[in-house]
Amino acid sequence: QSALTQPPSASGSPGQSVTISCTGTSSDVGDFNYVSWYQNHPDKAPKLMIFDVTKRPSGVPDRFSGSKSGNTASLTVSGLQAEDEADYYCSSYAGNNNVIFGGGTKLTVL
Amino acid sequence: QVQLQESGPGLVKPSQTLSLTCTVSGGSVTNSDYYWTWIRQPAGKGLEWIGRIHTSGSVIYNPSLKSRVAISIDTSKNQFSLNLNFVTAADTAVYYCARQPRITWAWDSWGQGTLVTVSS
Repeated sequence: QSALTQPPSASGSPGQSVTISCTGTSSDVGDFNYVSWYQNHPDKAPKLMIFDVTKRPSGVPDRFSGSKSGNTASLTVSGLQAEDEADYYCSSYAGNNNVIFGGGTKLTVL
Repeated sequence: QVQLQESGPGLVKPSQTLSLTCTVSGGSVTNSDYYWTWIRQPAGKGLEWIGRIHTSGSVIYNPSLKSRVAISIDTSKNQFSLNLNFVTAADTAVYYCARQPRITWAWDSWGQGTLVTVSS
């Protein structure tokens, strides 16, 4: 199973919105509504930001939202804040009790 | 709030077995609503799901690692463990333990990760 494709980097100024894409295939992202997104600050535990494509866990600001169209899922961060600067990873169920991840996107707040 | 903490050797020789333990606090590995998972990240690369276990003993593995990996659970210590056999330099990575709710394929709590280097 190939990894999901994410852009290596993304950036935006404080207050702006940025969208990170996660492209898979009709066998993973396109076939299941089990896309999740994780925020990873250096030397910290990854944090679940979005699950089941669009759902936000308790405590995650509503500035973070998820969506999916066809084989591509997206994470949008609105009203960028300095603390949003981190690496972001997507994941998708790929059938047959297997999951795959994206390569990660480094989000820079300018 | 549940917390997970990985522990184990940071250096393993090639062809030997990598063994890690995840200690769970603030929650119980016997909670049937969750799976207990291992995920790794080689330096400069993306995340890779290794496998998961349920308190019932049910366990599944990444097909690419299935022949070398074993995950077990110790309810008396509130821990679960990873054994990866016949390691090579390609197994050098940060290893994370995480919790997966049964209702989804996502991980809502993670350990901070531990770096394991495979080198002679």
